[in-house]
Formats: sequence, C-alpha cells, structure tokens
Amino acid sequence: DAGVIQSPRHEVTEMGQEVTLRCKPISGHDYLFWYRQTMMRGLELLIYFNNNVPIDDSGMPEDRFSAKMPNASFSTLKIQPSEPRDSAVYFCASSLRQLANTGELFFGEGSRLTVL
Amino acid sequence: GNSVTQMEGPVTLSEEAFLTINCTYTATGYPSLFWYVQYPGEGLQLLLKATKADDKGSNKGFEATYRKETTSFHLEKGSVQVSDSAVYFCALTVSGGYNKLIFGAGTRLAVHP
Repeated sequence: DAGVIQSPRHEVTEMGQEVTLRCKPISGHDYLFWYRQTMMRGLELLIYFNNNVPIDDSGMPEDRFSAKMPNASFSTLKIQPSEPRDSAVYFCASSLRQLANTGELFFGEGSRLTVL
Repeated sequence: GNSVTQMEGPVTLSEEAFLTINCTYTATGYPSLFWYVQYPGEGLQLLLKATKADDKGSNKGFEATYRKETTSFHLEKGSVQVSDSAVYFCALTVSGGYNKLIFGAGTRLAVHP
C-alpha cells in the first residue's frame, strides 16, 4: 500500500500569497495529523482529524492557517496570507488507531515551504 | 504537563562505536514511550516503543528500556553504522483520550567511516 502522500514537496512563494498543501493519508487510517517542523521550535502538532472531523486545532498558529478534510482520502492545509515566519517543513501523518494504543504515526515526506 | 527532553546534538561517532541518546520525560498520566527516526529528506518513522514500565523496545539493533523510577527512555545501540546517521526523536503519548504524540527536540546523529 502506498504511504502518506504529500504535495508539493517544495514550494517557494512570496509573502502575502496563498499556500495550499495537500495530503492523502493511508487508506483505512481514521486519524490524520498536520505537523510543522522548524529548527527553532522542532515538531509542532497543528491539528488532527478523526474520521474527517477536526478534533484538536489548538496548535494552529493563527487565523491565517486553516485545514480541511473533505473526505477520508484528502486533506489540505492552507495559509493565507503567507509570511516569512511560516517557512518550515509541513508533515502530514496518519494512524489507524488512537495513538495511546499503538503510538504509530505514518508520516509523509513533507512539504518544504519557503516564504520570501 | 507532558513533555520530553532529549540530549542536545549533534552526536558524532565513528562506525562501530556504542551509541546512547538520553531521553527523559514528564507525564500527567501513565505514558507510552517511543523512539522515531528521521532519515535525510524523509518523514519520521517509528523505530521502537514500550508501553509499560520495565518494557524494553528493540528494532534494527537499537533498544530502549522504559524506566519509571528515573522517568527515562534512553536509546542505545552497540555498534553504529554510517547508515544510522539520522535525527532521532523521543516521544510519548498518554492514554485517556489524549490522542497526541509529544515529541522531543530531536538529536542528530552523524556516523563517520
């Protein structure tokens, strides 16, 4: 089975532009997570979904960030307007069960975002 | 609160050297503990886990023992290879509806021939 698929792998944009990152989780996985990775802050959980419903978005930095999961096989993370401090690697991950049971998250390869 | 503290890197070793990466945690409940590894240009992947005190997780020659008395989960390998060069993350999750993995800052390991 294919792993978690993210696109684009690399995105370079200018400040103020809208950015949309996409994710296809592993088929059958009920949970989907968006993480952000930077040198300064490490790995931060932004939001997670269960059965397409957002459960916890307390990590979303501000209103410029939004995430959707219209169906079980697709999610987007949107930044509008983007700022240089949003530059980071954004990871999507999925899991079959609650993490307390297995702890196993399957990560995509990440989307490296650079905002100039 | 729940948190994970890892030793700062980078850790630089010669091939076949012994590896230890320290990890300690604080948790409000009874955590499960994990080590994840991130190879260059890739996402994280689960390396090993332990779900109760005194359990030892092991995989690919790596091992870690869940020590409740010292709140630690140190990663060890007896003989590292160049291919082990990566960033290693200690993580925890707590049961009871808290469906999040809390990651440490990561420790970069560089192994030279």
